[in-house]
Amino acid sequence: GNSVTQMEGPVTLSEEAFLTINCTYTATGYPSLFWYVQYPGEGLQLLLKATKADDKGSNKGFEATYRKETTSFHLEKGSVQVSDSAVYFCALSNPNTGNQFYFGTGTSLTVIP
Amino acid sequence: NAGVMQNPRHLVRRRGQEARLRCSPMKGHSHVYWYRQLPEEGLKFMVYLQKENIIDESGMPKERFSAEFPKEGPSILRIQQVVRGDSAAYFCASSPAVNTEAFFGQGTRLTVV
Repeated sequence: GNSVTQMEGPVTLSEEAFLTINCTYTATGYPSLFWYVQYPGEGLQLLLKATKADDKGSNKGFEATYRKETTSFHLEKGSVQVSDSAVYFCALSNPNTGNQFYFGTGTSLTVIP
Repeated sequence: NAGVMQNPRHLVRRRGQEARLRCSPMKGHSHVYWYRQLPEEGLKFMVYLQKENIIDESGMPKERFSAEFPKEGPSILRIQQVVRGDSAAYFCASSPAVNTEAFFGQGTRLTVV
């Protein structure tokens, strides 16, 4: 079946620190992979995506590379800001199995000045 | 192009009442997904619909819950005879086609008292 396993949180970093949030997946075929971000009291916003192996998604300084050999899609940012404090969700969509989105449990990030 | 619109944003119901949650997808989007988020938890898939059809309802409780996406009008998630355990944030998302990113609404926060 399809599933997403995400690094446990919460994560607390100082401003300008390097961020990595691990995400691995299980899926048949060739899913698309996504990172979504949720700010307090809000819905999820798409942060970045990758639709095939070796694709790199990037947005707002965040990056993630679709690694089929390790079934991973880790999120990275070189220098976090206080405004990056939010919950981050890794997700996959698999057209081979009905197209619904499968989400990880979310990782809460707090960046302190 | 307005985003995914959910209403109401907040809904309070007494035990035993009915809750009706509405979702208007983005213009041109024919795929709608409903998710439930419990406090401090990730998103749990409930149901995936296309116009007038339920594609996958594997995540929706068999009793008391139903969903529809009529030819005209918004998608509706209906919860009959609500119980305290139904208290959660319910998110709707839409996408224009398979294997593309989903756009989320801001959610309806249901509180059962």
